[in-house]
Amino acid sequence: AQSVAQPEDQVNVAEGNPLTVKCTYSVSGNPYLFWYVQYPNRGLQFLLKYITGDNLVKGSYGFEAEFNKSQTSFHLKKPSALVSDSALYFCAGYASGGSYIPTFGRGTSLIVHP
Amino acid sequence: NAGVTQTPKFRVLKTGQSMTLLCAQDMNHEYMYWYRQDPGMGLRLIHYSVGEGTTAKGEVPDGYNVSRLKKQNFLLGLESAAPSQTSVYFCASTMGSLAETQYFGPGTRLLVL
Repeated sequence: AQSVAQPEDQVNVAEGNPLTVKCTYSVSGNPYLFWYVQYPNRGLQFLLKYITGDNLVKGSYGFEAEFNKSQTSFHLKKPSALVSDSALYFCAGYASGGSYIPTFGRGTSLIVHP
Repeated sequence: NAGVTQTPKFRVLKTGQSMTLLCAQDMNHEYMYWYRQDPGMGLRLIHYSVGEGTTAKGEVPDGYNVSRLKKQNFLLGLESAAPSQTSVYFCASTMGSLAETQYFGPGTRLLVL
């Protein structure tokens, strides 16, 4: 069975500092991995995805994520956090070779303090 | 394009009442999904559809039914609401290729008393 884990329920960071939101996965084959963001009272929005190729993926709003096969991780990063980055972040994954149903992590609440 | 829309935005039901949540997308997407979101539980898939006229069960289908009579619409029904169905419900859609980005609606907040 495939799974996606976000080990931190909440991440706190000061504005201007780098941020990392962690995600680890357990899916068969080569995974397809996604990050979504959810602002209060809104639906999820796509941030970035890894399908194949370069392990460092750049996405919206200055976010990036690094695919690490040996550590089965796909951590979301940003060099300098903004207060407006405060939101709920979800990691999601599909098993390669045929899946239409993603597996979502439980979500991590990112709080950026002024 | 409006993308994915959901109606209603908020609803209060009494235990035992029924209701239907409507999801509509104008992107000509093949696949549509219904999720519920509860604190600390992330997103859980209720039902999904891979095309007009087809539906399938997800992770937590009990107490819900769905229909996809038109490609652009995906309806979620609660026949006899229970307090355990208090949640925020999200609809999503994708083109239909493998491992695609999902497009989400704004959500429906449901309170069952």
